[in-house]
Amino acid sequence: KQEVTQIPAALSVPEGENLVLNCSFTDSAIYNLQWFRQDPGKGLTSLLLIQSSQREQTSGRLNASLDKSSGRSTLYIAASQPGDSATYLCAPTGANNLFFGTGTRLTVIP
Amino acid sequence: DAGVIQSPRHEVTEMGQEVTLRCKPISGHNSLFWYRQTMMRGLELLIYFNNNVPIDDSGMPEDRFSAKMPNASFSTLKIQPSEPRDSAVYFCASSLYQTNTEAFFGQGTRLTVV
Repeated sequence: KQEVTQIPAALSVPEGENLVLNCSFTDSAIYNLQWFRQDPGKGLTSLLLIQSSQREQTSGRLNASLDKSSGRSTLYIAASQPGDSATYLCAPTGANNLFFGTGTRLTVIP
Repeated sequence: DAGVIQSPRHEVTEMGQEVTLRCKPISGHNSLFWYRQTMMRGLELLIYFNNNVPIDDSGMPEDRFSAKMPNASFSTLKIQPSEPRDSAVYFCASSLYQTNTEAFFGQGTRLTVV
């Protein structure tokens, strides 16, 4: 069964800093990997989807990388803003399922 | 598109009652997922439909849970009878084509069983 670990569990940074969130997974036979953000009491918002054949995907200030063979993905957030405060979840995908980690809770301090 | 729509947003019910959660996926999407989120276990897949057919229901906790997708625009998750340990946030998600494409989540239904 796919096991997903996200480190750190919580992160607090001052506004303007660049930061990296880490995701590792045990089964490299994935279709793709998706990053989400979840605000308190809300649903999941899709941020980026990286196909298994890709190494990187960018959207605005966000850049996600994928190293399938080593079972790792990172989400890089440039010039962080208070509005980036949320829980970030990675989800490697199998044939029938998106497998979720427990997330990294990010707080950006103004 | 309005996105994935779930109803109700909040549900409080007494133990033993039947609960029905509803989901309208994004138009044109052929895959639908039901997830449950708790503090202890995080997000867990309950059931996955492809083209209205249940493909993987291995995550359905027990016979008290059932899910249907009578057409491409509607799905239900039913719990009968409900128990306090069913209290959680239930999410519905849809994707254009199986797990190969981006999945979009609804706002969830927060269920409290007292």
